[in-house]
Amino acid sequence: GAVVSQHPSRVICKSGTSVKIECRSLDFQATTMFWYRQFPKQSLMLMATSNEGSKATYEQGVEKDKFLINHASLTLSTLTVTSAHPEDSSFYICSARDSDAYQPQHFGDGTRLSIL
Amino acid sequence: SQQGEEDPQALSIQEGENATMNCSYKTSINNLQWYRQNSGRGLVHLILIRSNEREKHSGRLRVTLDTSKKSSSLLITASRAADTASYFCASYTGGFKTIFGAGTRLFVKA
Repeated sequence: GAVVSQHPSRVICKSGTSVKIECRSLDFQATTMFWYRQFPKQSLMLMATSNEGSKATYEQGVEKDKFLINHASLTLSTLTVTSAHPEDSSFYICSARDSDAYQPQHFGDGTRLSIL
Repeated sequence: SQQGEEDPQALSIQEGENATMNCSYKTSINNLQWYRQNSGRGLVHLILIRSNEREKHSGRLRVTLDTSKKSSSLLITASRAADTASYFCASYTGGFKTIFGAGTRLFVKA
């Protein structure tokens, strides 16, 4: 089946640090990638949608200068949390889908980000 | 709201019992998907049902869809302790977005 690899799985860093999270599709071409944020015991909140080679589309309330998304190839998207602060601590999950928009998304295993 | 609604929010059952989770959504859909999430992990796709389908089976899973009521249900039969997880429905309405429900946390006691 389709595999999405997300790295790192856990990050602990000091306030003010920028953190980059990678999301790779290993065996399919990810035309569209999604970045979600999930708080404990809650559902996924879509942060942004990116299509390969295009600028990401951010959801309302998500700061695009804070959460930089790059989707430069059909197998890799990155989310950079710039100048992270404790309130940015969360579980971030990426997912990817190929060109068939009617098919399910394939999810990475998530990144637990803790800002001290 | 970005999310659909699911009920119950939490469900605790004994191993061997059936578990039923319900999902409601707000707009017309192309398909509805169910996902499972183990604690601290990503989501795993379980089953997809299209808007012109009413019922679908996969192993111990049975999904129904009622587009007139904008609702779906997921039934897990003969539950096992390993089924303990959170379950999310996700409605796809076309375009790029899939809208996730709030989720049901299932706990299966051995």
